[in-house]
Amino acid sequence: AQKITQTQPGMFVQEKEAVTLDCTYDTSDQSYGLFWYKQPSSGEMIFLIYQGSYDEQNATEGRYSLNFQKARKSANLVISASQLGDSAMYFCAMRVRSSASKIIFGSGTRLSIRP
Amino acid sequence: EAGVTQSPTHLIKTRGQQATLRCSPISGHTSVYWYQQALGLGLQFLLWYDEGEERNRGNFPPRFSGRQFPNYSSELNVNALELEDSALYLCASTNTVDYGYTFGSGTRLTVV
Repeated sequence: AQKITQTQPGMFVQEKEAVTLDCTYDTSDQSYGLFWYKQPSSGEMIFLIYQGSYDEQNATEGRYSLNFQKARKSANLVISASQLGDSAMYFCAMRVRSSASKIIFGSGTRLSIRP
Repeated sequence: EAGVTQSPTHLIKTRGQQATLRCSPISGHTSVYWYQQALGLGLQFLLWYDEGEERNRGNFPPRFSGRQFPNYSSELNVNALELEDSALYLCASTNTVDYGYTFGSGTRLTVV
């Protein structure tokens, strides 16, 4: 069975600091994708970054980077130079080829940026 | 390009009634997914439709059902509403197995 674990229910970070949101995953499949989504208070889910299991380099998208450590089955999200607008829920998610295409989500981390 | 659109934005129903939620995927996307997000909780997979067929469903009772139309839009129906069905219902679409979803803004269902 596949599982995503986010152990940080909430985090407070000072504006302009970097922040790391933890995510570990469990799957026996060799082919899978890892995602991070941001959910502001409005409710919509905003795609941030994607990492494929066969990608050798860590994914980056602007201020977001994914620290992918395959052997440890971790996929931490790093946000550099945090901004007030980064305050939101952040969900780590995984999709495996054998799971009939659905994405499973972690329980989320609520990130609050202090001015 | 229009994103995933969901309607209505908010829906208030009484216990025992039926609710119908609608979703239009991004043009060209053939797969539609439905998720339930109860207040303060993560996303629970409900249903997956692709090419008009139900491909997979999550651990929800049969009173949660839906369909996908020939234009790939989708409906989620919830019968015999219970108070615990109050949640944000998110629809997402994709056109590839290898990538992520694009989500709509959700329908917030309140059962009173």
